[in-house]
Amino acid sequence: DVKVTQSSRYLVKRTGEKVFLECVQDMDHENMFWYRQDPGLGLRLIYFSYDVKMKEKGDIPEGYSVSREKKERFSLILESASTNQTSMYLCANKVVGAYEQYFGPGTRLTVT
Amino acid sequence: GENVEQHPSTLSVQEGDSAVIKCTYSDSASNYFPWYKQELGKRPQLIIDIRSNVGEKKDQRIAVTLNKTAKHFSLHITETQPEDSAVYFCAASGNKLVFGAGTILRVKS
Repeated sequence: DVKVTQSSRYLVKRTGEKVFLECVQDMDHENMFWYRQDPGLGLRLIYFSYDVKMKEKGDIPEGYSVSREKKERFSLILESASTNQTSMYLCANKVVGAYEQYFGPGTRLTVT
Repeated sequence: GENVEQHPSTLSVQEGDSAVIKCTYSDSASNYFPWYKQELGKRPQLIIDIRSNVGEKKDQRIAVTLNKTAKHFSLHITETQPEDSAVYFCAASGNKLVFGAGTILRVKS
């Protein structure tokens, strides 16, 4: 059974702070993804990574960066948090060549 | 890039009735169409998917149909139960997955 964990379920940060969200998966999947989920907008792709040290911009990368130093860990970084980054953040992963993505439990980030 | 539209945004049905959620996509190169269910406070989970070489797929009370010519696909839930209440997301995939905005399904008992 694929296990995907995220470092926090709830997080409150101040405007301007640097924020790290971590995702860890235990199934040796190469591809990892970060989405944000907002009501009425669905899930939007921020960044993804095909493999270690590889990263690609998704549809809404502005204000975010990522790090993939190890295969099992994919970090999302908010360099200077802003109130419009208040959202639910979901990570996901999948096997190369397969379609199904497995999601983590999500981190609800509030920026005040 | 791909754009996925999903309707309706909310849907209320009586227990035992059927529910239908519809999605359209824009990129004719998309070849994989999953449906995810997200219960309150939980992660999205895949409930059914369909590839572009198939027109219909069924799994117990849920089914998905795909019309590639019209670029739309639908989720059908029959004999709805209260535990079907959740947010449902469609998605379309070419080289990456693009999600619809979601449908809140409420099954009234």
